[in-house]
Amino acid sequence: EVQLVQSGAEVKKPGESLKISCKGSGYSFTSYWIGWVRQMPGKGLEWMGIIYPGDSDTRYSPSFQGQVTISADKSISTAYLQWSSLKASDTAMYYCARAVSGVVASYYFDYWGQGTLVTVSS
Amino acid sequence: SYELTQPPSVSVSPGQTARITCSGDALPKQYAYWYQQKPGQAPVLVIYKDSERPSGIPERFSGSSSGTTVTLTISGVQAEDEADYYCQSADSSGTGVFGGGTKLTVL
Repeated sequence: EVQLVQSGAEVKKPGESLKISCKGSGYSFTSYWIGWVRQMPGKGLEWMGIIYPGDSDTRYSPSFQGQVTISADKSISTAYLQWSSLKASDTAMYYCARAVSGVVASYYFDYWGQGTLVTVSS
Repeated sequence: SYELTQPPSVSVSPGQTARITCSGDALPKQYAYWYQQKPGQAPVLVIYKDSERPSGIPERFSGSSSGTTVTLTISGVQAEDEADYYCQSADSSGTGVFGGGTKLTVL
């Protein structure tokens, strides 16, 4: 059974750093891309970026390039999303999801994690 | 930046047919995907590659494509189908994009 298990909720102050995780199991972690999706309170889904754990090839949505870092440690089947300096506007639910290729260089998400709520408040 | 446009809301009575549209200039060249999200839950894929249904998704969910518009159709809507629905596709560079979401209300 494919499972993506995310780390727990976080409460941080503006300016602090943070790294959240997503552990995959039940499939070959290095054979599928993993993506991150943001959902701000009461709002829709936003595509942040994807990473291929096999070789760490990473592709960001332009809106998130330079704002976050996506990484993966294939030895422990875990992907990460990190911030170096959080802002109040980073308050959101963050989902990881397994990405599958639809056609060349485009992807969709077939399995999702349970989400990690990040709250940034002074 | 590339956008996918969905109606904010759709309402339908139980047993009737709900149709949710998604428009985007690149849709003739890129597949569309649909996700269902119920309150407090992670999204679930209900349609992939315009019209394919993942295993475990009821047959009442179907998808179609015509030009720059794709449509999610839910036949014989049930109360449990009340949720937010999001279309997703990719821009010309392959970067994923979601539509703004449609709230389906079952009257």
